[in-house]
Amino acid sequence: AQKVTQTQTSISVVEKTTVTMDCVYETRDSSYFLFWYKQTASGEIVFLIRQDSYKKENATVGHYSLNFQKPKSSIGLIITATQIEDSAVYFCAMREMSNYNVLYFGSGTKLTVEP
Amino acid sequence: DAAVTQKPRYLIKMKGQEAEMKCIPEKGHTAVFWYQQKQSKELKFLIYFQNQQPLDQIDMVKERFSAVCPSSSLCSLGIRTCEAEDSALYLCSSSQGYEQYFGPGTRLTVL
Repeated sequence: AQKVTQTQTSISVVEKTTVTMDCVYETRDSSYFLFWYKQTASGEIVFLIRQDSYKKENATVGHYSLNFQKPKSSIGLIITATQIEDSAVYFCAMREMSNYNVLYFGSGTKLTVEP
Repeated sequence: DAAVTQKPRYLIKMKGQEAEMKCIPEKGHTAVFWYQQKQSKELKFLIYFQNQQPLDQIDMVKERFSAVCPSSSLCSLGIRTCEAEDSALYLCSSSQGYEQYFGPGTRLTVL
């Protein structure tokens, strides 16, 4: 069974707008970590932001923020004031305390930011 | 620029040939991971090293791959006999905490 699911395969937005990318996860652990990564056209994967399961506050880094809804096992990524260079594939990932060495990835959402 | 270095960036092999790719983890990171990614899909975990010791790997790696970290500053992943299905982007990451930091990858094409 897929541990991390991203149902949006691609999204297209106009620059300077806000976009939300969805991600749901499945775990029996009480403690886990959720991540969002960005993969550029060259293939490079860049870490963006992390949410710890025990924290109620949504993480925010620069123009990235998270919408963590623990009861729904959901961790959405919000990008405000999008820029052309935000165009990339965004991956959601999860790391469980019980299996700490494995990072489970979703299938990715391709974001295109147009002028 | 990625603090994790991978070489070569591109590798072309014929079926049956041996392939080797290298990774230099970020300085101070004790955990190293290898992933395989096909056609920009999800990353598939291959093997994990902690302090240069392999602690977890999938069956495919045990059967056809060779992976070592002879030092804290160099790891390598090898394929003993390349098959067409091995064509993929091979990503190395390192970690010293919660996040993993990725290298730019080695894109292997098997003809």
